[in-house]
Formats: sequence, C-alpha cells, structure tokens
Amino acid sequence: LAKTTQPISMDSYEGQEVNITCSHNNIATNDYITWYQQFPSQGPRFIIQGYKTKVTNEVASLFIPADRKSSTLSLPRVSLSDTAVYYCLVGDMNSGGYQKVTFGTGTKLQVIP
Amino acid sequence: EAQVTQNPRYLITVTGKKLTVTCSQNMNHEYMSWYRQDPGLGLRQIYYSMNVEVTDKGDVPEGYKVSRKEKRNFPLILESPSPNQTSLYFCASSYGLADPFSQFFGPGTRLTVL
Repeated sequence: LAKTTQPISMDSYEGQEVNITCSHNNIATNDYITWYQQFPSQGPRFIIQGYKTKVTNEVASLFIPADRKSSTLSLPRVSLSDTAVYYCLVGDMNSGGYQKVTFGTGTKLQVIP
Repeated sequence: EAQVTQNPRYLITVTGKKLTVTCSQNMNHEYMSWYRQDPGLGLRQIYYSMNVEVTDKGDVPEGYKVSRKEKRNFPLILESPSPNQTSLYFCASSYGLADPFSQFFGPGTRLTVL
C-alpha cells in the first residue's frame, strides 16, 4: 500500500482557492487516489476520487500529474464551513476487497474570516 | 435514507467487562470496516470484511473481534476492554469490492474504559 505524505496543517482566508497536495511516490499501477473530509467528532466524508489527469465534481477538483506521484485537492472559494481535516488515501481498486485502508493523519485546514 | 448506524453512541465501561458495538448499513454494501480515531494518530483500521463470513485484520486488530453473519451487520466485540481502548470508533461501508475506498461512515461511538 502506497504511503502518503500531506502537510499537517494549512490556513486560508474565506473566498480563496485552497490546494492541498499529497505525495505518494510509491503509487502502484492499480492504485486510485481518494480524498475525504472530516469535521470534528464526525465520520469522514468521501469527497473525490481519481486515477489520472483531472476529476471535478460539485465540491472539489482533483489534479493528478502524469507520473501520479502526487495529487492536489483543490477547493474553490472556501468558506468557514470548509474548516476540517482532509485525508488523502491511495489503494488498489483491483484487490477484490482484500485491501486495508490507511488514512494517515491528514491535513487540518483552518479557514479564517 | 442511506445510512450507517452505530450503537451505542457513547459508552463508559470498566476494564474487563465484555462489550459489543453494533454497526448496521442499509445500502447492501459488501465491504464494511471498523476504525478507531485517537488524537495525533488519525484514523486507524481495526478490521474489515469483504462479505458475509469473510473478515481480515486491519492495522490495529489486537484486543478486538468482529463477525459478519449478515451482510448488513458488522459488530465490533471487545472481549476484555482495557483503558488503552478508550477511543472514538467509526464503522464504515462501501459499495463493493472493486472500490473499498468510497466509504460511508457512521456517526461514531465514543468509548471510555475506566
């Protein structure tokens, strides 16, 4: 399972675009990249998932370069309610379910008024 | 409403008294999992299950047992709880074996072992 490295914390002002980068140098061919958001005392919430290039949904965008050794979660025009911990996960989608899921410690995003 | 439910939400118990935390999902998901979350350590997977009667260890399985007799239920059993198992526990499920990473999480169970 590829190990991931994220910044421990980030601060941003309301209305700005926030980019959180995750490094996964040992990513394998069948590995996908998944991002979660977690508010205090709540379970994590799935945000976005991708394999390569760019994925966009109503919440965020995920940018994955050609070598796939890193990925960037982009949150457009953040608000105070985006203050949360963001986790990057990498794992094999072809394991038939025989797959541990490792969250790591995530990036704590603080949005400032 | 699609959801993962856990019971109880809060529990205070004493060392050595067996307890079970229940988890149930109504989405017909195949993959289910238990995590514990501790300050500074993030979320760590305890056990996971690929289907009925099929389970495997996560990163921190010591001191825990699980069973998967029905697809919708995945209880977490602490046979002899100890204070180091005081934690916030989450149950989760995902659509299928092809994507164990798109998980729905329950609301959490805060356990204190005295």
